[in-house]
Amino acid sequence: ELKVEQNPLFLSMQEGKNYTIYCNYSTTSDRLYWYRQDPGKSLESLFVLLSNGAVKQEGRLMASLDTKARLSTLHITAAVHDLSATYFCAVMMKETSGSRLTFGEGTQLTVNP
Amino acid sequence: GAVVSQHPSRVICKSGTSVKIECRSLDFQATTMFWYRQFPKQSLMLMATSNEGSKATYEQGVEKDKFLINHASLTLSTLTVTSAHPEDSSFYICSAGRQGVFGSGTRLTVV
Repeated sequence: ELKVEQNPLFLSMQEGKNYTIYCNYSTTSDRLYWYRQDPGKSLESLFVLLSNGAVKQEGRLMASLDTKARLSTLHITAAVHDLSATYFCAVMMKETSGSRLTFGEGTQLTVNP
Repeated sequence: GAVVSQHPSRVICKSGTSVKIECRSLDFQATTMFWYRQFPKQSLMLMATSNEGSKATYEQGVEKDKFLINHASLTLSTLTVTSAHPEDSSFYICSAGRQGVFGSGTRLTVV
């Protein structure tokens, strides 16, 4: 059974600081997603990582994937208040019944002025 | 890009009634759609995988007779919560295909 673990689960940081959220998963996967969720809203897709060594950047967020270590990171640079949200990683696996996404527990990020 | 539409966004129903939630892929076809449930402050839990033209695959612990799934076309899947009870109150979110794109979610409140 695939397990996806994120850490930290809660992160409070000051504006202007950098930090990294980690996502570990337990079995081989062919793609990994990062999502943002604001309170009361659905998921907003941030990144899809498809291969070992993949790195994608959008604004102050950068995601990377190491399939050998089964680890993905979401790096936040010079945080701003607008980044406050819950961030989920999700790993897609192919099974005999089809593909499915398994989510991490989520990281609740609060950026303080 | 791929867009998934979900309706309604919010529904309040009386205990014992049934509620239908629709999930549509707007600009692509999806042989597979996924239904998730999210309780407050928790992650998303996969309830079932909806397959066009065949029976849905339910996750362990999800009652298939309570959560009826129909995937009648390549762009539409529906989830019907039958005989809803207050403990079914939750945020239900669908996803279509392998793009990892999600609908806007349905907040269900059973009173």
